[in-house]
Amino acid sequence: NAGVTQTPKFQVLKTGQSMTLQCAQDMNHEYMSWYRQDPGMGLRLIHYSVGAGITDQGEVPNGYNVSRSTTEDFPLRLLSAAPSQTSVYFCASTGTETYEQYFGPGTRLTVT
Amino acid sequence: TQLLEQSPQFLSIQEGENLTVYCNSSSVFSSLQWYRQEPGEGPVLLVTVVTGGEVKKLKRLTFQFGDARKDSSLHITAAQPGDTGLYLCAGENKLVFGAGTILRVKS
Repeated sequence: NAGVTQTPKFQVLKTGQSMTLQCAQDMNHEYMSWYRQDPGMGLRLIHYSVGAGITDQGEVPNGYNVSRSTTEDFPLRLLSAAPSQTSVYFCASTGTETYEQYFGPGTRLTVT
Repeated sequence: TQLLEQSPQFLSIQEGENLTVYCNSSSVFSSLQWYRQEPGEGPVLLVTVVTGGEVKKLKRLTFQFGDARKDSSLHITAAQPGDTGLYLCAGENKLVFGAGTILRVKS
């Protein structure tokens, strides 16, 4: 039982490049989400999904796309990277009874 | 504007001291979680509180959920260097997080 896995752990992009951050969970959770974490701002919700085929926007969705083709996988796509997207990104999988979240180890992204 | 306000933002104390950190909101939550995050890692769930007035203990950590389910506190007794980290509270209202309290315990 690996829990929540994320790849890559580190990434450097140039402005305008695109990339996909991968996230997978093996706990059969329906609810998954993506957050970004910036100093002094805590974790801000980017997008979330309540099940395969269903996604919705969070607090800061601009510049990001998601899809949920399977229960296990929830990739986050940056369409055209900007320096403002430099951050640490966390994927989380959530139990359905008390909203307990299990986080991946994070991806540290730098956009130059 | 943060839906969940955490205080203090930073806390630096000596080993053996007691401390309390707070998580406050004007909104009512049906459940609230506390997490600890260490540098370079994701947050790890410490506890979930679901009932107004509920008190949960986890070794030297005591968590309380306010009667009106709008606020919570985390009390640490006899803090140790291993308690150092970022403490985050989160409410189930669209899974919103507070900005966190950075705790440093010096030996």
